[in-house]
Amino acid sequence: RKEVEQDPGPFNVPEGATVAFNCTYSNSASQSFFWYRQDCRKEPKLLMSVYSSGNEDGRFTAQLNRASQYISLLIRDSKLSDSATYLCVVNTNAGKSTFGDGTTLTVKP
Amino acid sequence: SAVISQKPSRDICQRGTSLTIQCQVDSQVTMMFWYRQQPGQSLTLIATANQGSEATYESGFVIDKFPISRPNLTFSTLTVSNMSPEDSSIYLCSVQPGGVNTEAFFGQGTRLTVV
Repeated sequence: RKEVEQDPGPFNVPEGATVAFNCTYSNSASQSFFWYRQDCRKEPKLLMSVYSSGNEDGRFTAQLNRASQYISLLIRDSKLSDSATYLCVVNTNAGKSTFGDGTTLTVKP
Repeated sequence: SAVISQKPSRDICQRGTSLTIQCQVDSQVTMMFWYRQQPGQSLTLIATANQGSEATYESGFVIDKFPISRPNLTFSTLTVSNMSPEDSSIYLCSVQPGGVNTEAFFGQGTRLTVV
């Protein structure tokens, strides 16, 4: 079993749709959690951190359930520019980052 | 934040040769991380480069194949040695200037093709 597992995707949605990505992790000692975005042929960039209380940044909402070892990302009112691969990243207390395989989102007009 | 200059951005190499990838950071950082991203897959950590000590390698990666240098707090190199087509991948360096469990910043990546 992989340490971090994500929805395999791909997700193909129309503009304006709401889409949710899920991620589970196996290491119960994991300390911090992130969603990164990676555009084609580019390096990953931080989209948002994920906090236990849940957090929102504009159209993006991230949630963490430590008991279930589950992380989610919700994108509302999808834009064409949201098309990318979304990576779930989990850090241990030693700072080691483990990346999920990514979920590819394509938003179509 | 951090800005990382990584080079080369891409290269096509003959099997059996070696390629050294460089990363220069615009600030001093304790640890630098080297990742591999194979086509269609996510990032896999190769090793953590520490200044003044040997790099720490992850399972499946060895120093003879991926020697790393870390001469100071702003620079590191990763060498891919005795390359084979299976080494064709994107290699990325990364830093977390805010400390462990903070945002990671990446170099632009090196797209390596071994023929």
